[in-house]
Amino acid sequence: DTAVSQTPKYLVTQMGNDKSIKCEQNLGHDTMYWYKQDSKKFLKIMFSYNNKELIINETVPNRFSPKSPDKAHLNLHINSLELGDSAVYFCASSQDPGTGGDTQYFGPGTRLTVL
Amino acid sequence: GNSVTQMEGPVTLSEEAFLTINCTYTATGYPSLFWYVQYPGEGLQLLLKATKADDKGSNKGFEATYRKETTSFHLEKGSVQVSDSAVYFCALSNSGYSTLTFGKGTMLLVSP
Repeated sequence: DTAVSQTPKYLVTQMGNDKSIKCEQNLGHDTMYWYKQDSKKFLKIMFSYNNKELIINETVPNRFSPKSPDKAHLNLHINSLELGDSAVYFCASSQDPGTGGDTQYFGPGTRLTVL
Repeated sequence: GNSVTQMEGPVTLSEEAFLTINCTYTATGYPSLFWYVQYPGEGLQLLLKATKADDKGSNKGFEATYRKETTSFHLEKGSVQVSDSAVYFCALSNSGYSTLTFGKGTMLLVSP
């Protein structure tokens, strides 16, 4: 009964390839997020979706394209992978995007390694 | 813009020692403040939060008080355990779309 799940957990690929990471939440939340955690553990927001609509895009290169087929899923597709894309990517969800005090629930992370 | 500053780690303590991890923030308006914890190999879990000035968040023996006058939200625990070894993140969100701005994280290592 995992609340926020991500697949795959590990992803190793070559530079220039295209890959996708999937995220699903079963909490009934309206808002989902992608965060990137670099090698120094620093976490930064990438995207936020509310009810399948993009509401936040934090100057992420357009090689990254999120897709939300329904409000329980938010996938991340990455084109032309670069070495600097190596990181841990976390999906998260929350109920209400409007109040600022809402708890976000995080998935277990996907460790992407680009060779 | 928003920013969060945490003390650098690692913080190394013996079991039953007192813990303080400092966190200060810069934000417009009245942000909500959070502490998240990341155990090795896992995702982030909410540890505690406070949504207005002078609120105290608490959970699992950890506490933090939202101090608007000093723009701080320091994490404390009276007696740490080996199982508390993890990375602790201070974070804030403003009203709007709840995206979290994180500090750089502080690794806590507790030895028996």
